[in-house]
Amino acid sequence: EAGVTQFPSHSVIEKGQTVTLRCDPISGHDNLYWYRRVMGKEIKFLLHFVKESKQDESGMPNNRFLAERTGGTYSTLKVQPAELEDSGVYFCASSPGAWAEQFFGPGTRLTVL
Amino acid sequence: DQQVKQNSPSLSVQEGRISILNCDYTNSMFDYFLWYKKYPAEGPTFLISISSIKDKNEDGRFTVFLNKSAKHLSLHIVPSQPGDSAVYFCAASANNAGNMLTFGGGTRLMVKP
Repeated sequence: EAGVTQFPSHSVIEKGQTVTLRCDPISGHDNLYWYRRVMGKEIKFLLHFVKESKQDESGMPNNRFLAERTGGTYSTLKVQPAELEDSGVYFCASSPGAWAEQFFGPGTRLTVL
Repeated sequence: DQQVKQNSPSLSVQEGRISILNCDYTNSMFDYFLWYKKYPAEGPTFLISISSIKDKNEDGRFTVFLNKSAKHLSLHIVPSQPGDSAVYFCAASANNAGNMLTFGGGTRLMVKP
């Protein structure tokens, strides 16, 4: 069974540009989460989807971040326009149920210059 | 305001000895605690968890202890092996906050042969 996959693995963009990160959860997992880790700090929650609905987006830092999960399968996280402080590693995780273990993807390392 | 703290950024242990990783939390609403292990360029991998109704959970070489009155948990690895060298993250969730995980900053464990 394939794990959580994320694309790209690494993205380098300039301040002001737009970047879209993609996450493919484990097949059949209704719950999908986005987290990020900036500069060696703790991993922080961004948002939680149940199927295509946003269950909790309390961790989204500002309106430059837009997450979607059309059809309840893969999810995208768009940053527009990107700022220097957005640099970090963005992790996606999925779980079959709300209280089940979360399986993490390898992350996308975003560098904003 | 960090609700989950891992005060030791690194720990070095001799192979065969016990590794003890510590974690403190401040939010009394947390009722489920997890340990994740992370290798470079990979996402966090679930290791072991404990519910707040228990004070100990064991899985092979890994044991997690929870002291609710002290708001403290620890992960014991015995015997430690070189392959255990990784960054270990403590995480917590609260029943009233869905399955959002709040992570500590991580402890880098180095097991020397």
